[in-house]
Amino acid sequence: KAGVTQTPRYLIKTRGQQVTLSCSPISGHRSVSWYQQTPGQGLQFLFEYFSETQRNKGNFPGRFSGRQFSNSRSEMNVSTLELGDSALYLCASSFGQGGGEKLFFGSGTQLSVL
Amino acid sequence: QQQVKQSPQSLIVQKGGISIINCAYENTAFDYFPWYQQFPGKGPALLIAIRPDVSEKKEGRFTISFNKSAKQFSLHIMDSQPGDSATYFCAASRGNAGGTSYGKLTFGQGTILTVHP
Repeated sequence: KAGVTQTPRYLIKTRGQQVTLSCSPISGHRSVSWYQQTPGQGLQFLFEYFSETQRNKGNFPGRFSGRQFSNSRSEMNVSTLELGDSALYLCASSFGQGGGEKLFFGSGTQLSVL
Repeated sequence: QQQVKQSPQSLIVQKGGISIINCAYENTAFDYFPWYQQFPGKGPALLIAIRPDVSEKKEGRFTISFNKSAKQFSLHIMDSQPGDSATYFCAASRGNAGGTSYGKLTFGQGTILTVHP
């Protein structure tokens, strides 16, 4: 069974630009969560989607947004990039219901903002 | 109320020794406590998890001890091996109203474990 796939693996952008990251969950998983990982702040929750609906949201500015498609694939978007947005962005999938508490993480997208 | 505090930040253990990592939480609504292992260049991988109705859970060389009254839980790695060298994160989450959503994890700051051969 294929794991969680995130694309691209690496991304370099400049301040002010916007970026879209993609996540394909494990087959059968309907929940996708996004996390930001930095050396200073650690792992921080961004948002969770289930059946195309945002179910939970973390404490990030509105520049961070996401969506989920009918096939459970998810994208997150960051607009007006700032230097502090440089981080590893991780996607995790789970069944999202009926005891689906186990999260399976992808390898992440490493975003560098110059 | 949402914090999870993890210690130590780094840990060096000899091969065959016991590695112990501790976490403390504040929010008593948390009802799921997983531990994740992360290798460089990879995402975190679930190691073992526990719910607050049990005081201990063991899977192979990995054991979680849970103290609900103290709001603390710990990971014990027995017979530590060089291959266990990684960053370990404790986490906590709370199910949604239906108890089915645990996608929002609150993580500890991580412990870098080094096991010397």
